[in-house]
Amino acid sequence: QQQVKQSPQSLIVQKGGISIINCAYENTAFDYFPWYQQFPGKGPALLIAIRPDVSEKKEGRFTISFNKSAKQFSLHIMDSQPGDSATYFCAASIAGSARQLTFGSGTQLTVLP
Amino acid sequence: NAGVTQTPKFQVLKTGQSMTLQCAQDMNHNSMYWYRQDPGMGLRLIYYSASEGTTDKGEVPNGYNVSRLNKREFSLRLESAAPSQTSVYFCASSEARGAHQPQHFGDGTRLSIL
Repeated sequence: QQQVKQSPQSLIVQKGGISIINCAYENTAFDYFPWYQQFPGKGPALLIAIRPDVSEKKEGRFTISFNKSAKQFSLHIMDSQPGDSATYFCAASIAGSARQLTFGSGTQLTVLP
Repeated sequence: NAGVTQTPKFQVLKTGQSMTLQCAQDMNHNSMYWYRQDPGMGLRLIYYSASEGTTDKGEVPNGYNVSRLNKREFSLRLESAAPSQTSVYFCASSEARGAHQPQHFGDGTRLSIL
């Protein structure tokens, strides 16, 4: 069973465009929502994260939008660059033992030059 | 500062063979994790260790065992490898239990079971 559903599976965007990746969750006990970025041959690395007490968080060209009532959150990449081409994973965790992360299935982003 | 180091990077096994995947972190983190990554399924937690001396099952523990050897090292063992265990395995660590601390990942072990 997948507790965090991510879409789309793949995304192709032109350089300078906006990339949008969406995630939805069911478990209302989740209280931390990070996004990880993974380049080929490497492990995932934390990109940006949000807690449900805010509706938006922005770091440079990356923004998380959070809709608590809809149980959805999304990653927006503004002015997408070829160097942003990677696989992006949303995740969620619950306060408590060891902060286990539940990951979405991933989105492979390709930014065309 | 190496972060999280996994060995080996690649391994091919025959069905029924055993092997241990090694993981070490140099960030003095309390918690460590083992995940497997399969196409279209994201990362799934196999086992985790909240602190030295403790281990717990994750989402997909069957066919695996773990050992938290000390604060730095957390190993994953396949006792009798099966083709379904062909995957990329990632080890991760984080600062503190119960806090919003990021998990730091190694670069993975790519394992093929023939």
